[in-house]
Amino acid sequence: GENVEQHPSTLSVQEGDSAVIKCTYSDSASNYFPWYKQELGKGPQLIIDIRSNVGEKKDQRIAVTLNKTAKHFSLHITETQPEDSAVYFCAASKVNDKIIFGKGTRLHILP
Amino acid sequence: GAGVSQSPSNKVTEKGKDVELRCDPISGHTALYWYRQSLGQGLEFLIYFQGNSAPDKSGLPSDRFSAERTGGSVSTLTIQRTQQEDSAVYLCASSLQGGYSPLHFGNGTRLTVT
Repeated sequence: GENVEQHPSTLSVQEGDSAVIKCTYSDSASNYFPWYKQELGKGPQLIIDIRSNVGEKKDQRIAVTLNKTAKHFSLHITETQPEDSAVYFCAASKVNDKIIFGKGTRLHILP
Repeated sequence: GAGVSQSPSNKVTEKGKDVELRCDPISGHTALYWYRQSLGQGLEFLIYFQGNSAPDKSGLPSDRFSAERTGGSVSTLTIQRTQQEDSAVYLCASSLQGGYSPLHFGNGTRLTVT
C-alpha cells in the first residue's frame, strides 16, 4: 500500500522568511496530493492540493510542486507570518481510494 | 453551513470498557473517513466508507475496532475492551464523493483510557 514520508518533523523560520516541507510517496499510481494545516485543538483543514497532471500550483503565499518521476512533492510558504504556525500534513491518494497522510511537520514562525 | 460534528469531544474510560464514538458528516457527503492521531504522531488511517459500504477496512488496528455507517450519513466507531494504547484523538472526515474531493474534518474525540 501507499506510504508517505514527510520531512522535517519540526521547522523554525524567522517571520518573513520562506518555509519548505518535503514529502515522498511510494505508490506510483497515486495521483492526488493534498496538503492540510492543523491548528491546536482542531481538525486538519485543506490549504492546497495538486493532481498528477500538473507540476506546480500556487495560491497567494503558498505553492506546491510535484515531481512524479522522483515521487516527491513539496509545500512552499513565502513571507511567513505568525498565523502560519501550525502542523502541516502532506497526503497522497488515488481517485476513490483512501488518503494516506505523512506524519506532519510542526512549523514555528519566530518573531 | 454545518461542518462535520463529532461526539463526544472528550471521553475518559476505564481499561476494558467499550466506547462508541459518533460522527455526523456534512449533509450530502458520500465519503466518510476515520483517522487516529496519537500524541505527536501523524494521521493513521482506520477505515473509509463510500455510502454505507466500507471498501477499505485495512487500517483497523485489531478486531476490537469496528465501524458502521447507516443511511449514508452518521457513522459510529466502536472500540471494545479498550486498552491504554487506544488513547488518542479520533478524527472523522467527510468528502463530497471521495477521490479528488477535499476532506472536511471534525474537531475529533479525545479518548483517554485509564
